[in-house]
Amino acid sequence: GDSVTQMEGPVTLSEEAFLTINCTYTATGYPSLFWYVQYPGEGLQLLLKATKADDKGSNKGFEATYRKETTSFHLEKGSVQVSDSAVYFCALSRNSGNTPLVFGKGTRLSVIA
Amino acid sequence: DTAVSQTPKYLVTQMGNDKSIKCEQNLGHDTMYWYKQDSKKFLKIMFSYNNKELIINETVPNRFSPKSPDKAHLNLHINSLELGDSAVYFCASSQGPDSIYEQYFGPGTRLTVT
Repeated sequence: GDSVTQMEGPVTLSEEAFLTINCTYTATGYPSLFWYVQYPGEGLQLLLKATKADDKGSNKGFEATYRKETTSFHLEKGSVQVSDSAVYFCALSRNSGNTPLVFGKGTRLSVIA
Repeated sequence: DTAVSQTPKYLVTQMGNDKSIKCEQNLGHDTMYWYKQDSKKFLKIMFSYNNKELIINETVPNRFSPKSPDKAHLNLHINSLELGDSAVYFCASSQGPDSIYEQYFGPGTRLTVT
């Protein structure tokens, strides 16, 4: 079945450091790919998405590129802030029918000043 | 205005009890979902309704019964609660069931079964 694997956390970075959170997927066909963010005590929010190969999703300084050849969708940010501390989830959904989101296990990011 | 709201936010109960969690969305969406997030933060779909019809029912014990009285509400009733049901339950909604539609999540209900 479809699955998402993302790097284990927690990840601790100093403010202004470069962030990469790795995500790879296994799916039939060409799914849509997503990054969701969960701030402490809140529900998940869509951070960015890409619906086809080589698409780049971006939002709030975060970027991720849909790489079909490596089945990856790594999340990057050039300079993290304390306010970026949250749990980040990579997810996929097939582009056909009533398909649910399949989430990775989440990566907790802590940014220290 | 809260887009997707859930009540209660916290629920502590004993094994064997029956409890319900309510979800309401004011976004005018057709599709609603229930997800379970376990203690390791792993998030998994449980159910999905589109226009009050059940469209996704993952492998969930039949002690869990969703009910959608109208498009804006999707409630989750759990019978004979077990310790393993302790988790955070998230409700979500989207315009439609296809992946092109963004899902909007509620704040979650933390269920603790003792």
